[in-house]
This record gives sequence, structure tokens and C-alpha cells, in this order.
Amino acid sequence: GIQVEQSPPDLILQEGANSTLRCNFSDSVNNLQWFHQNPWGQLINLFYIPSGTKQNGRLSATTVATERYSLLYISSSQTTDSGVYFCAVGDSGAGSYQLTFGKGTKLSVIP
Amino acid sequence: NAGVMQNPRHLVRRRGQEARLRCSPMKGHSHVYWYRQLPEEGLKFMVYLQKENIIDESGMPKERFSAEFPKEGPSILRIQQVVRGDSAAYFCASSHGQGGLYNEQFFGPGTRLTVL
Repeated sequence: GIQVEQSPPDLILQEGANSTLRCNFSDSVNNLQWFHQNPWGQLINLFYIPSGTKQNGRLSATTVATERYSLLYISSSQTTDSGVYFCAVGDSGAGSYQLTFGKGTKLSVIP
Repeated sequence: NAGVMQNPRHLVRRRGQEARLRCSPMKGHSHVYWYRQLPEEGLKFMVYLQKENIIDESGMPKERFSAEFPKEGPSILRIQQVVRGDSAAYFCASSHGQGGLYNEQFFGPGTRLTVL
């Protein structure tokens, strides 16, 4: 099956700093989503981005499907950004629409 | 527009009991997915259903686990004779369909199952 690798696994930021999270995947995809799992365990949709670039406030994401990676940018980080960020992909060759998740990047934003 | 609803949010069972987890998809969504998040592990796909049909159950354990999505009512994930290793967060997701933006999956708040 498709492999998803996220880096870095852990990240500590001072409030106000910027960061880039990376997601590499091993095959072509029909779906790529970024999620934020907050400290209460809820999964929040950030972006649906199988290709291209999107922005939403302080967050933006870029997926280069031909090179099999996606980046999530967080600018001017806030303590409420803390949590785990997951990248999840759907394998376009699998005939199913299940998402395969990476292991996540645990982000801690300190005041 | 209500999001994906799951209940109960927390469920405690003793070994050998049955657990029933419910999921109501977003309005207008007819595709439901179940995922499990074990402690210290990522989220793993379990099963994909459409109304009255199981489309892909490749991630389901072969025994004790079953899922349904009836014509009326919520999707149910059923775990029979629970064991301590079943303790996890179970997430349900839904999507409008397949193709383009319809692929996007939206997740419920999860059910946290604890087996004593």
C-alpha cells in the first residue's frame, strides 16, 4: 500500500514563529488532506489539497503531486496551534477511498 | 449544517461485553468510513460503507468486528467480546461521494472506548 512519511516528528516553536511541515507519499493520489488533532482529540479539517496551493488565514498548503510531497505552512504561530498535524492520502490506484495517514507532526507552541 | 455526529463520546466496557458505536454522517453525505487510533499509533482505516453496502472492509479485524450502514439510521460499528487491546479512539468520517471535491472526508469527534 501507499506509504506516507511526515517530518519533523516533533516541533517546538516560540509564539509568533513560522514553520513548515512536510508530507512525502510513495504513489499517485486522488486525495490529500491535512488535519489538526487538537489536545482534546478532535480532528479538524485544514485543507483538501491533492494538488496546487491553498491558503486559509495564517495557514497555507502546497502539494506537488508529480514529486509526491505536500507542505503545510504555519505563520505567526499561536499557542492554540499546538497539537498533532496529520497528512492523509487516498491512493488513486487502490479502487477504494480510504485515507492512509502519516504518523503526524507534534507541534508545541510556547508563549 | 451539522457535522458528523458520533455517540457515545466515551464508552467503558468490561472484557467480554459488546460495544456499539454510532455515526451519523453530515447531511447529504452517503459515504461513511471508520478509522481507529490506537495509543501511540496513527489513524488506521477500518471499513468503508455506503447505504446498505460494505464497499471495503480490508482494515477490519477478521473476528469480533462488524459494521453496517442501514437504509435508515446511523452507521454502527459493533465490537463483540471486547478485549483490552480494543481500547482506542474510533473515528467516523463521511464524504459526499467520489471524484474531485466530493472525496473530502470530514471527521466526527470520535468515541473513546476503554475496556477494563
